Amino acid sequence: DAMVIQNPRYQVTQFGKPVTLSCSQTLNHNVMYWYQQKSSQAPKLLFHYYDKDFNNEADTPDNFQSRRPNTSFCFLDIRSPGLGDAAMYLCATSSDPTGGYEQYFGPGTRLTVT
Amino acid sequence: SQKIEQNSEALNIQEGKTATLTCNYTNYSPAYLQWYRQDPGRGPVFLLLIRENEKEKRKERLKVTFDTTLKQSLFHITASQPADSATYLCALDGWSSASKIIFGSGTRLSIRP
Repeated sequence: DAMVIQNPRYQVTQFGKPVTLSCSQTLNHNVMYWYQQKSSQAPKLLFHYYDKDFNNEADTPDNFQSRRPNTSFCFLDIRSPGLGDAAMYLCATSSDPTGGYEQYFGPGTRLTVT
Repeated sequence: SQKIEQNSEALNIQEGKTATLTCNYTNYSPAYLQWYRQDPGRGPVFLLLIRENEKEKRKERLKVTFDTTLKQSLFHITASQPADSATYLCALDGWSSASKIIFGSGTRLSIRP
């Protein structure tokens, strides 16, 4: 089945230690998104790629970076995680960045910062 | 700024009844409104999309309404079952690629047997 895969499902890192979360998709979608979701809160868009074009949200901290080496893979790098970065990180895809297209989410990576 | 409010953090209803969830929004004129289901520790799963010129959309036991005058969407689950227990997120969606989907924080629905 076509899907969005995130690895690892659970990640523990130390305060200030760089961490990379990965996402892959078999849907061949042009658009890939990264969201941060804290407990009982709405998913918050960090950035998205439309093909190779990177679109950063204005309020996404510089501490968060992303790479998309090819259509199938996208990475979220947190350069110096703080305690406030502990959250669920969700990767999603869609076939088109314009409105009216559903997003397909992966299972998420739960990040703990110690 | 744009704001989405989903009714009460939690809703508890008896199995077999109709669950009605509310999504209100301000400072936005969405072209589409989407509803997602999210189970604990999992990513959201798309359920339904309704366009601004549609009043109602149905899918099996699910029904969504969209009132752009009231700036409100209602999400109904008829003949609710314990398996319907989850958090339901509404999301506002614009026309262009410059707009982005904005999610609400969700309503946690519990269906008791």
